[in-house]
Amino acid sequence: GNSVTQMEGPVTLSEEAFLTINCTYTATGYPSLFWYVQYPGEGLQLLLKATKADDKGSNKGFEATYRKETTSFHLEKGSVQVSDSAVYFCALRKGSNYKLTFGKGTLLTVNP
Amino acid sequence: EPEVTQTPSHQVTQMGQEVILRCVPISNHLYFYWYRQILGQKVEFLVSFYNNEISEKSEIFDDQFSVERPDGSNFTLKIRSTKLEDSAMYFCASSVSGRMETQYFGPGTRLLVL
Repeated sequence: GNSVTQMEGPVTLSEEAFLTINCTYTATGYPSLFWYVQYPGEGLQLLLKATKADDKGSNKGFEATYRKETTSFHLEKGSVQVSDSAVYFCALRKGSNYKLTFGKGTLLTVNP
Repeated sequence: EPEVTQTPSHQVTQMGQEVILRCVPISNHLYFYWYRQILGQKVEFLVSFYNNEISEKSEIFDDQFSVERPDGSNFTLKIRSTKLEDSAMYFCASSVSGRMETQYFGPGTRLLVL
């Protein structure tokens, strides 16, 4: 079946550091890929998405590129801020299904 | 900005009791979902609901679970006889339409079964 694997946390960085959170997936065909973020006390919010191979999703300085050849969708940001501290979830959706399949989530803490 | 809301934020119940988790989706959305996350595990899909019918459900969503849209604004998840392993964070989500649309999530209900 479909599955998502993302790097184990927690990740702790200093402000302005470079961020990478790895995400790989297993799915047949061409799923859509997503990164969701959950700030403390809030629901999951869509951060960015990509619907086909080589698409790059971007939002709020975060980027991720859909790599079919490596089945990956790694999240990156060049310079993190304290306000980026949150849990980040990688997810996929196969075209024929409604459901999102999530990874375990990665807790990011950014220190000033 | 419109948002999905969920009540209660926390619920503690005894094993075997019935619980109802409530959600108010975004008002113009037509598709509704429940997910759950057991502590330390992945967020798992439970069910999707459209036009007063279940459109998809997972293996987790057995006869102990049911969903309902009792009026024009609420969307509920009922667990008939709770088990210890039902302890989890339950997330409601909604989307304007189906497969190609972004799902908007609520903040979750933390359910603890004792």
